[in-house]
Amino acid sequence: GAGVSQTPSNKVTEKGKYVELRCDPISGHTALYWYRQSLGQGPEFLIYFQGTGAADDSGLPNDRFFAVRPEGSVSTLKIQRTERGDSAVYLCASSSNSAERGYTFGSGTRLTVV
Amino acid sequence: DAKTTQPPSMDCAEGRAANLPCNHSTISGNEYVYWYRQIHSQGPQYIIHGLKNNETNEMASLIITEDRKSSTLILPHATLRDTAVYYCIVRVPSGTYKYIFGTGTRLKVLA
Repeated sequence: GAGVSQTPSNKVTEKGKYVELRCDPISGHTALYWYRQSLGQGPEFLIYFQGTGAADDSGLPNDRFFAVRPEGSVSTLKIQRTERGDSAVYLCASSSNSAERGYTFGSGTRLTVV
Repeated sequence: DAKTTQPPSMDCAEGRAANLPCNHSTISGNEYVYWYRQIHSQGPQYIIHGLKNNETNEMASLIITEDRKSSTLILPHATLRDTAVYYCIVRVPSGTYKYIFGTGTRLKVLA
């Protein structure tokens, strides 16, 4: 597609529930990133995929967070047993292999845990 | 990755040049300087990047000091649509390419 698409744009869930956030990267982009942004803060790195594999998951805060990219394109960020502190905007970005020019972000999914 | 320091906010009159400074005094020799901006309710948008030479594109100019310890992003004729948070990031263009964002500079362009 023309840009990075994230769905849903907004998600409200109850504490303790499971959620999935989807990212459709730009076609042909091999690198995919997930970031999380809290109010008033800059985006915080979560995980990086090169192709199908997670090359760097050092930013995932704990084992309730997991992400997959089974066919090397669409990625899903999964959060188990959601907590109110998980409320944030979750951003996805993609880039070509070299990424020297930077990467393209989606508009994010705003997750609210009530 | 090196840490960057930016003023939390700036104002600029519409039509004037906006000069956004960034300090990165611990930058390493192979680390690039990247600038992104984030307009309300959108994801960050790539603006420009450079290593040691000044760079210009259709959006902005990037001036990097000779010792590379600081840089300035210049928007030559700011418009209301340039109101956004601007992030300065330094990173090595290899490995995971991940960015470490700070809190950026909130630029407000005034009519």
